[in-house]
Amino acid sequence: TQLLEQSPQFLSIQEGENLTVYCNSSSVFSSLQWYRQEPGEGPVLLVTVVTGGEVKKLKRLTFQFGDARKDSSLHITAAQPGDTGLYLCAGAAGASGTYKYIFGTGTRLKVLA
Amino acid sequence: EAGVAQSPRYKIIEKRQSVAFWCNPISGHATLYWYQQILGQGPKLLIQFQNNGVVDDSQLPKDRFSAERLKGVDSTLKIQPAKLEDSAVYLCASSLGTGGIAKNIQYFGAGTRLSVL
Repeated sequence: TQLLEQSPQFLSIQEGENLTVYCNSSSVFSSLQWYRQEPGEGPVLLVTVVTGGEVKKLKRLTFQFGDARKDSSLHITAAQPGDTGLYLCAGAAGASGTYKYIFGTGTRLKVLA
Repeated sequence: EAGVAQSPRYKIIEKRQSVAFWCNPISGHATLYWYQQILGQGPKLLIQFQNNGVVDDSQLPKDRFSAERLKGVDSTLKIQPAKLEDSAVYLCASSLGTGGIAKNIQYFGAGTRLSVL
Protein backbone atom coordinates (compact mmCIF):
# COMPACT_ATOMS: atom_id res chain seq x y z
CA THR A 1 0.00 0.00 0.00
CA GLN A 2 1.37 3.38 -1.00
CA LEU A 3 1.52 5.87 1.86
CA LEU A 4 2.51 9.51 2.01
CA GLU A 5 3.57 10.83 5.39
CA GLN A 6 3.59 14.56 5.97
CA SER A 7 5.44 16.40 8.70
CA PRO A 8 4.84 18.30 10.78
CA GLN A 9 1.17 17.47 11.36
CA PHE A 10 0.48 20.87 12.92
CA LEU A 11 2.37 24.14 12.69
CA SER A 12 1.59 27.47 14.35
CA ILE A 13 3.93 30.33 13.52
CA GLN A 14 4.09 34.10 13.61
CA GLU A 15 3.63 36.22 10.52
CA GLY A 16 6.94 36.74 8.73
CA GLU A 17 8.50 33.42 9.74
CA ASN A 18 9.67 30.78 7.28
CA LEU A 19 8.54 27.15 7.33
CA THR A 20 9.02 23.87 5.51
CA VAL A 21 6.56 21.01 5.16
CA TYR A 22 7.77 17.56 4.18
CA CYS A 23 6.04 14.78 2.27
CA ASN A 24 7.72 11.37 2.31
CA SER A 25 7.01 7.95 0.86
CA SER A 26 8.77 4.68 0.19
CA SER A 27 7.01 4.54 -3.18
CA VAL A 28 7.94 6.21 -6.45
CA PHE A 29 5.35 8.50 -8.01
CA SER A 30 5.12 9.75 -11.58
CA SER A 31 4.33 13.19 -10.22
CA LEU A 32 3.50 14.92 -6.99
CA GLN A 33 0.97 17.64 -6.33
CA TRP A 34 0.52 20.10 -3.49
CA TYR A 35 -2.91 21.39 -2.50
CA ARG A 36 -4.23 23.86 0.03
CA GLN A 37 -7.61 23.30 1.61
CA GLU A 38 -9.57 25.86 3.59
CA PRO A 39 -12.42 25.02 5.98
CA GLY A 40 -15.61 24.04 4.20
CA GLU A 41 -13.94 23.87 0.81
CA GLY A 42 -12.33 21.23 -1.36
CA PRO A 43 -8.56 21.13 -1.92
CA VAL A 44 -7.19 23.56 -4.49
CA LEU A 45 -4.13 22.63 -6.53
CA LEU A 46 -1.03 24.77 -5.93
CA VAL A 47 1.54 23.00 -8.08
CA THR A 48 2.45 19.77 -9.87
CA VAL A 49 6.06 18.58 -9.96
CA VAL A 50 6.95 15.86 -12.43
CA THR A 51 10.71 15.52 -12.80
CA GLY A 52 13.02 14.22 -10.07
CA GLY A 53 14.93 17.14 -8.56
CA GLU A 54 12.49 19.68 -9.98
CA VAL A 55 12.05 22.95 -8.14
CA LYS A 56 9.07 25.24 -8.73
CA LYS A 57 8.40 28.63 -7.24
CA LEU A 58 5.01 30.23 -6.77
CA LYS A 59 5.55 33.70 -5.26
CA ARG A 60 6.65 32.95 -1.67
CA LEU A 61 6.16 29.19 -2.02
CA THR A 62 8.97 26.88 -3.21
CA PHE A 63 8.24 23.26 -4.06
CA GLN A 64 10.84 20.56 -4.57
CA PHE A 65 10.49 17.01 -5.85
CA GLY A 66 13.09 14.56 -4.59
CA ASP A 67 15.61 13.11 -7.02
CA ALA A 68 14.14 9.63 -6.58
CA ARG A 69 10.55 10.96 -6.90
CA LYS A 70 9.64 9.57 -3.50
CA ASP A 71 9.51 12.76 -1.48
CA SER A 72 8.79 16.45 -1.73
CA SER A 73 8.97 19.63 0.29
CA LEU A 74 7.08 22.89 0.44
CA HIS A 75 8.88 25.94 1.77
CA ILE A 76 7.03 29.16 2.57
CA THR A 77 9.01 32.35 2.99
CA ALA A 78 7.70 35.17 5.15
CA ALA A 79 4.40 33.45 5.98
CA GLN A 80 1.24 35.55 6.05
CA PRO A 81 -2.10 34.93 7.78
CA GLY A 82 -3.59 34.22 4.35
CA ASP A 83 -1.35 31.14 4.13
CA THR A 84 -3.35 29.51 6.93
CA GLY A 85 -4.92 26.23 5.87
CA LEU A 86 -4.47 22.49 5.45
CA TYR A 87 -1.62 21.62 3.08
CA LEU A 88 -1.86 18.28 1.33
CA CYS A 89 0.57 16.49 -0.92
CA ALA A 90 -0.68 13.87 -3.35
CA GLY A 91 1.34 11.37 -5.35
CA ALA A 92 0.09 10.34 -8.75
CA ALA A 93 0.50 6.96 -10.38
CA GLY A 94 -0.93 5.42 -13.52
CA ALA A 95 -1.54 6.61 -17.05
CA SER A 96 -3.75 9.23 -18.62
CA GLY A 97 -7.37 8.49 -17.89
CA THR A 98 -6.49 6.28 -14.96
CA TYR A 99 -4.33 8.54 -12.82
CA LYS A 100 -4.75 7.57 -9.20
CA TYR A 101 -3.86 10.01 -6.46
CA ILE A 102 -2.66 9.03 -3.00
CA PHE A 103 -3.02 11.90 -0.55
CA GLY A 104 -0.71 12.61 2.34
CA THR A 105 -1.75 12.86 5.96
CA GLY A 106 -1.91 16.67 5.82
CA THR A 107 -0.19 19.58 7.58
CA ARG A 108 -2.39 22.12 9.30
CA LEU A 109 -0.74 25.55 9.24
CA LYS A 110 -1.82 28.54 11.27
CA VAL A 111 -0.09 31.88 10.74
CA LEU A 112 -0.68 34.38 13.51
CA ALA A 113 -0.75 38.11 12.77
CA GLU B 1 -16.54 27.94 -16.19
CA ALA B 2 -18.73 26.22 -13.61
CA GLY B 3 -16.92 24.14 -11.02
CA VAL B 4 -17.72 20.76 -9.56
CA ALA B 5 -21.13 20.88 -7.90
CA GLN B 6 -22.03 18.72 -4.93
CA SER B 7 -25.18 18.40 -2.90
CA PRO B 8 -26.23 18.43 -0.20
CA ARG B 9 -23.58 20.46 1.66
CA TYR B 10 -24.50 18.97 5.01
CA LYS B 11 -26.36 15.86 6.11
CA ILE B 12 -27.13 14.51 9.55
CA ILE B 13 -28.52 11.00 9.88
CA GLU B 14 -28.78 8.28 12.46
CA LYS B 15 -26.79 5.10 12.21
CA ARG B 16 -28.35 2.40 10.06
CA GLN B 17 -30.11 5.00 7.91
CA SER B 18 -29.36 5.52 4.23
CA VAL B 19 -27.91 8.58 2.55
CA ALA B 20 -27.03 9.65 -0.98
CA PHE B 21 -24.70 12.30 -2.31
CA TRP B 22 -24.76 13.84 -5.76
CA CYS B 23 -21.95 15.22 -7.89
CA ASN B 24 -21.99 17.13 -11.17
CA PRO B 25 -18.46 17.34 -12.60
CA ILE B 26 -17.03 20.05 -14.83
CA SER B 27 -18.42 19.76 -18.33
CA GLY B 28 -16.25 17.60 -20.55
CA HIS B 29 -14.34 15.95 -17.72
CA ALA B 30 -14.15 12.22 -18.29
CA THR B 31 -12.68 11.22 -14.96
CA LEU B 32 -14.64 11.50 -11.72
CA TYR B 33 -13.39 10.70 -8.23
CA TRP B 34 -15.15 10.23 -4.89
CA TYR B 35 -13.02 10.73 -1.79
CA GLN B 36 -13.71 10.33 1.91
CA GLN B 37 -11.96 12.84 4.18
CA ILE B 38 -12.10 12.20 7.89
CA LEU B 39 -11.54 15.28 10.03
CA GLY B 40 -7.87 16.28 10.12
CA GLN B 41 -6.76 13.71 7.56
CA GLY B 42 -6.04 13.65 3.86
CA PRO B 43 -8.71 12.49 1.40
CA LYS B 44 -8.95 8.75 0.74
CA LEU B 45 -10.04 7.60 -2.71
CA LEU B 46 -13.25 5.57 -2.62
CA ILE B 47 -13.98 5.14 -6.30
CA GLN B 48 -12.76 6.46 -9.64
CA PHE B 49 -14.74 6.53 -12.87
CA GLN B 50 -13.52 7.03 -16.42
CA ASN B 51 -16.66 8.07 -18.29
CA ASN B 52 -19.24 5.58 -16.95
CA GLY B 53 -16.77 2.78 -16.23
CA VAL B 54 -15.13 2.05 -12.88
CA VAL B 55 -11.34 2.40 -12.91
CA ASP B 56 -10.66 1.75 -9.23
CA ASP B 57 -12.99 0.86 -6.38
CA SER B 58 -10.53 -1.11 -4.28
CA GLN B 59 -11.09 1.04 -1.18
CA LEU B 60 -14.88 1.24 -1.44
CA PRO B 61 -16.61 -0.71 1.38
CA LYS B 62 -18.89 -2.50 -1.02
CA ASP B 63 -21.06 -4.05 1.66
CA ARG B 64 -22.49 -0.62 2.41
CA PHE B 65 -21.25 1.87 -0.19
CA SER B 66 -22.28 2.04 -3.81
CA ALA B 67 -21.69 4.55 -6.58
CA GLU B 68 -22.81 4.99 -10.11
CA ARG B 69 -22.13 7.35 -12.97
CA LEU B 70 -24.87 6.78 -15.48
CA LYS B 71 -24.28 8.36 -18.90
CA GLY B 72 -20.77 9.31 -17.85
CA VAL B 73 -21.73 12.68 -16.39
CA ASP B 74 -23.37 13.03 -12.95
CA SER B 75 -22.59 10.60 -10.20
CA THR B 76 -24.21 9.49 -6.97
CA LEU B 77 -22.61 7.88 -3.94
CA LYS B 78 -24.84 5.97 -1.54
CA ILE B 79 -24.29 4.59 1.93
CA GLN B 80 -26.70 1.96 3.23
CA PRO B 81 -26.72 1.40 6.16
CA ALA B 82 -24.57 4.16 7.63
CA LYS B 83 -22.23 3.58 10.57
CA LEU B 84 -20.82 6.06 13.06
CA GLU B 85 -17.37 5.80 11.44
CA ASP B 86 -18.80 7.04 8.14
CA SER B 87 -18.91 10.56 9.58
CA ALA B 88 -16.65 12.51 7.24
CA VAL B 89 -16.59 14.94 4.34
CA TYR B 90 -17.28 13.30 1.01
CA LEU B 91 -15.46 15.08 -1.80
CA CYS B 92 -16.08 14.75 -5.50
CA ALA B 93 -13.40 15.72 -8.01
CA SER B 94 -13.15 15.63 -11.77
CA SER B 95 -10.37 15.88 -14.34
CA LEU B 96 -10.04 15.84 -18.11
CA GLY B 97 -8.92 12.22 -18.23
CA THR B 98 -6.77 12.72 -21.32
CA GLY B 99 -3.38 14.23 -21.98
CA GLY B 100 -0.40 14.21 -19.66
CA ILE B 101 -0.31 14.59 -15.91
CA ALA B 102 0.21 18.35 -16.13
CA LYS B 103 -3.17 18.68 -17.86
CA ASN B 104 -5.00 16.29 -15.59
CA ILE B 105 -5.66 18.67 -12.78
CA GLN B 106 -8.20 17.50 -10.25
CA TYR B 107 -10.89 20.07 -9.51
CA PHE B 108 -12.73 19.47 -6.26
CA GLY B 109 -16.22 20.31 -5.17
CA ALA B 110 -16.86 21.82 -1.75
CA GLY B 111 -17.86 18.45 -0.36
CA THR B 112 -20.75 17.04 1.66
CA ARG B 113 -20.24 16.92 5.40
CA LEU B 114 -21.94 13.81 6.82
CA SER B 115 -22.60 13.36 10.51
CA VAL B 116 -23.84 9.94 11.63
CA LEU B 117 -25.36 9.97 15.11
